[in-house]
Amino acid sequence: KQEVTQIPAALSVPEGENLVLNCSFTDSAIYNLQWFRQDPGKGLTSLLLIQSSQREQTSGRLNASLDKSSGRSTLYIAASQPGDSATYLCAVMRPNSGYALNFGKGTSLLVTP
Amino acid sequence: DGGITQSPKYLFRKEGQNVTLSCEQNLNHDAMYWYRQDPGQGLRLIYYSQIVNDFQKGDIAEGYSVSREKKESFPLTVTSAQKNPTAFYLCASSISEKLFFGSGTQLSVL
Repeated sequence: KQEVTQIPAALSVPEGENLVLNCSFTDSAIYNLQWFRQDPGKGLTSLLLIQSSQREQTSGRLNASLDKSSGRSTLYIAASQPGDSATYLCAVMRPNSGYALNFGKGTSLLVTP
Repeated sequence: DGGITQSPKYLFRKEGQNVTLSCEQNLNHDAMYWYRQDPGQGLRLIYYSQIVNDFQKGDIAEGYSVSREKKESFPLTVTSAQKNPTAFYLCASSISEKLFFGSGTQLSVL
């Protein structure tokens, strides 16, 4: 069974810092890995999707990497801002499940002014 | 305005009562999903449907039921058999590998 783990569970940084969120998964047989953002009491917003054949994806200040062989992904946020404060969820898409996702528990990020 | 609409935003269930959560999408997506989120936890898959009139159980389907009579709609019923229904419920849809989520329904037990 696929297990997805995110470290750390919570993180507080001052504005302007670069930071890294970590995600690991137990089964390397994945279609892709996705990073989402969730604000309190809200739905999820897709940030980045990395195909299993890719090593990284970038969008603005966000960069996500994927190492399938070691079962790891990182989300790098450059020059953090208070508006980045949210929970970040990592999810892997599993085979033969109609694009259903296995999620980690998330990292709660607080960026202080 | 395209998207996924979940209603109601807040729902309360009495003991022994069935309640239905609504999920509607106008994105013309084939696949739809229901996830449950508990505080401090990741999302867990309840049911998913890849086409109309067909659906499959996810990891935690016990105590829940769904229907998919129309492409746009995928309602979730939380039955009285679900003994711990308090959670945040999220509906999603996809046409390929990218999922789009609704804004969620918070279900609480009175």
